[in-house]
Amino acid sequence: EAGVAQSPRYKIIEKRQSVAFWCNPISGHATLYWYQQILGQGPKLLIQFQNNGVVDDSQLPKDRFSAERLKGVDSTLKIQPAKLEDSAVYLCASSLTPSNSNSPLHFGNGTRLTVT
Amino acid sequence: QQQVKQSPQSLIVQKGGISIINCAYENTAFDYFPWYQQFPGKGPALLIAIRPDVSEKKEGRFTISFNKSAKQFSLHIMDSQPGDSATYFCAASRGGNTPLVFGKGTRLSVIA
Repeated sequence: EAGVAQSPRYKIIEKRQSVAFWCNPISGHATLYWYQQILGQGPKLLIQFQNNGVVDDSQLPKDRFSAERLKGVDSTLKIQPAKLEDSAVYLCASSLTPSNSNSPLHFGNGTRLTVT
Repeated sequence: QQQVKQSPQSLIVQKGGISIINCAYENTAFDYFPWYQQFPGKGPALLIAIRPDVSEKKEGRFTISFNKSAKQFSLHIMDSQPGDSATYFCAASRGGNTPLVFGKGTRLSVIA
């Protein structure tokens, strides 16, 4: 089974620039998540999709972050404009259904964003 | 508001020793408690998980102990090996469509 694919692996941008991250979940996984992991901390949920609909985006800074999951498969996360505090690893994860004991969460290797 | 509190922040254990990482939660609606292992440059990977209807679950050298009344759960790594050196995260979620919330992580170093 192929894992969750993310690109790019690394990105360095200047503050106020824009950036986009791409995620391809495991085939057949209906639920997709974007998490932000700041250095030394645990992953923090940004947004959860069920198929192509948003389930939870309560912690997404909507003034600068946006995400979409067209056709219920791939997803993109965009930041515009970026701030220094956005420097983090952005993790995409997927599960068959909302994660529980019967449907564990599978993470990609993330995109490390550095904002200078 | 931190829903899952994890300790210690870092841990150094001798090879062959027992590593113990603790987590506490407040939301009694949580019903799924996984532990994730993360190596540098990689995403977290599910290690072991437990539901609150059991007090202990063991998979190989890894054991989760769960104390529902104290709202605490812990990860025990028996016979710790240098290859276990990683960051460990506890997490929790409740039923329905709710996502996992993670602790801040414990960096484990197993030294020979």
